[in-house]
Amino acid sequence: NAGVTQTPKFQVLKTGQSMTLQCAQDMNHNSMYWYRQDPGMGLRLIYYSASEGTTDKGEVPNGYNVSRLNKREFSLRLESAAPSQTSVYFCASSEGEKGAADTQYFGPGTRLTVL
Amino acid sequence: AQSVTQPDIHITVSEGASLELRCNYSYGATPYLFWYVQSPGQGLQLLLKYFSGDTLVQGIKGFEAEFKRSQSSFNLRKPSVHWSDAAEYFCAPPSGAGSYQLTFGKGTKLSVIP
Repeated sequence: NAGVTQTPKFQVLKTGQSMTLQCAQDMNHNSMYWYRQDPGMGLRLIYYSASEGTTDKGEVPNGYNVSRLNKREFSLRLESAAPSQTSVYFCASSEGEKGAADTQYFGPGTRLTVL
Repeated sequence: AQSVTQPDIHITVSEGASLELRCNYSYGATPYLFWYVQSPGQGLQLLLKYFSGDTLVQGIKGFEAEFKRSQSSFNLRKPSVHWSDAAEYFCAPPSGAGSYQLTFGKGTKLSVIP
């Protein structure tokens, strides 16, 4: 039982390049989330998927797209990376029965640098 | 929209000393609250959560938190800190009624002196 896995662990991009961050969970959870963490800012929600087939914007969605590929997988895409997107990205999942009242389980993170 | 304040950015305590990390939130009617912990280089892990009921909540690793509605606070405490408690701690209330979103505080980094 791996929990929430993220790939890659580290990535360096040049401005304007695109990439997709992958996230998978093996806990049969309904809800999945993408956050970014910047120094002194806490975690900010980018997008979330309350259930398979649905996605919604969070606090900071600009510059990102997401795909809920199936119940297990939730990917985050940067179409044209910008230096302001340099951050650590966390994926999380939860059972989805109680919305934000559910415990969220976090992956180990992807450290992204955009030059 | 909900806002949450963790007034202490960085706290240093000696091993064995007691600890209290402060959290204040703006949404007085919030029905639940979380504390998460992040060890260096890791993702976040749930420490404890409050739902309705007993206002003193026990969590993992000997932590507890007390919900005080009148003060809009949910402070985290531990009677005797261990070196392994060095980490960053985040308070998180829901973003609003019926929301799927949590609003995370900016975190308090805890350093422990051996």
